[in-house]
Amino acid sequence: EAGVAQSPRYKIIEKRQSVAFWCNPISGHATLYWYQQILGQGPKLLIQFQNNGVVDDSQLPKDRFSAERLKGVDSTLKIQPAKLEDSAVYLCASTLLIGLAGVHEQYFGPGTRLTVT
Amino acid sequence: DAKTTQPNSMESNEEEPVHLPCNHSTISGTDYIHWYRQLPSQGPEYVIHGLTSNVNNRMASLAIAEDRKSSTLILHRATLRDAAVYYCIRRGAGSYQLTFGKGTKLSVIP
Repeated sequence: EAGVAQSPRYKIIEKRQSVAFWCNPISGHATLYWYQQILGQGPKLLIQFQNNGVVDDSQLPKDRFSAERLKGVDSTLKIQPAKLEDSAVYLCASTLLIGLAGVHEQYFGPGTRLTVT
Repeated sequence: DAKTTQPNSMESNEEEPVHLPCNHSTISGTDYIHWYRQLPSQGPEYVIHGLTSNVNNRMASLAIAEDRKSSTLILHRATLRDAAVYYCIRRGAGSYQLTFGKGTKLSVIP
């Protein structure tokens, strides 16, 4: 079974530029998450999708971050304009449809390491 | 607020058992305890989870205190590949979101 795919793996941009990250979850996984992980900290949830609808985006800085999952499969996370403090690893995770008993394990991709200079 | 407390770091000798503690003194009766680990330069991976009873799987064992205010992840025989940051996470029964703290960085000494 293929895992969660993310691209690019690394990105370096200057502040005020824009950047986009792509995620392809495990086939059949209805729930998709984006996390931000700053060096030395645990991942922090940014947004959760169920199919193509947003379940929770309360921690997404909406003035500069946006995310979409148009067909309920792939997802993109965008930052525009980037700030120095956005330097982090951006992780995508997916899981089967939530609400099913015992189905809750999140599968993470390798992440995209963003450096803003 | 991760709502769990873990030591920042621990060391273990290779091939010896490792006991990683986690304190969750304010846990509610329906909160699950999950453990994930993150190897260097990788995303987190699921290790084990439990509610009240001790749990075993191919990766580890989870021992949950009778009052559920603490738990211990047990790696029966540490290998160099087990060197990672281990996260103990409380998850409410009605939520499928994971709130990560800083975790415990486990170093395995050959």
